[in-house]
Amino acid sequence: EVQLVESGGGLVQPGRSLRLSCTASGFTFGDYAMSWVRQAPGKGLEWVGFIRSKAYGGTTEYAASVKGRFTISRDDSKSIAYLQMNSLKTEDTAVYYCTRSGITAMGPYYYYYMDVWGKGTTVTVSS
Amino acid sequence: SYELTQPPSVSVSPGQTARITCSGDALPKQYAYWYQQKPGQAPVLVIYKDSERPSGIPERFSGSSSGTTVTLTISGVQAEDEADYYCQSADSSGTSVVFGGGTKLTVL
Repeated sequence: EVQLVESGGGLVQPGRSLRLSCTASGFTFGDYAMSWVRQAPGKGLEWVGFIRSKAYGGTTEYAASVKGRFTISRDDSKSIAYLQMNSLKTEDTAVYYCTRSGITAMGPYYYYYMDVWGKGTTVTVSS
Repeated sequence: SYELTQPPSVSVSPGQTARITCSGDALPKQYAYWYQQKPGQAPVLVIYKDSERPSGIPERFSGSSSGTTVTLTISGVQAEDEADYYCQSADSSGTSVVFGGGTKLTVL
């Protein structure tokens, strides 16, 4: 069974850091890009960023709202993806979902979507 | 920045057909994806590449595309289909992902 389990959420003060982990099972982790998506209380889904598989360079992309503060990394040997969140703001309060990303090729570009989701972990930024 | 626009809500009676639209300028050139999210649960992919259905998704879910609008159609709506639905696409270079604001489907 394909499964993603997030961990590391909790209550943190503004300006502090937190690292989320996403442990994958049931598929060849290294073959897939991995994304993070968040959902603030009562709001819609917001893409945070993704990390490509090593076959596609292992590079990362981020939403403008988190660029420079958040970093996504991966350890293919452990089947874990990470989301390092620095300089946290109250507006970062959300449920954070780890997702496996499917890929669609069109011309010279590759496009990502979320084909498997974890159950999410809650991050609350408050003093 | 690129935006996708969805109606905030759609209501339909059981057994009828629900249609949820998503509009965006780049949709003629990009695929769209649809997710279903029930209260307290993680989203689930129900349509990919405009009209493909993942395994395990009921046949009553279908997708279509016309110009700058994509549509999620649920035929013979059941009470269990009541949920929030989100469309998703990407920018032209594939370096960012965008979600629509979501549509709450109410089954009367």
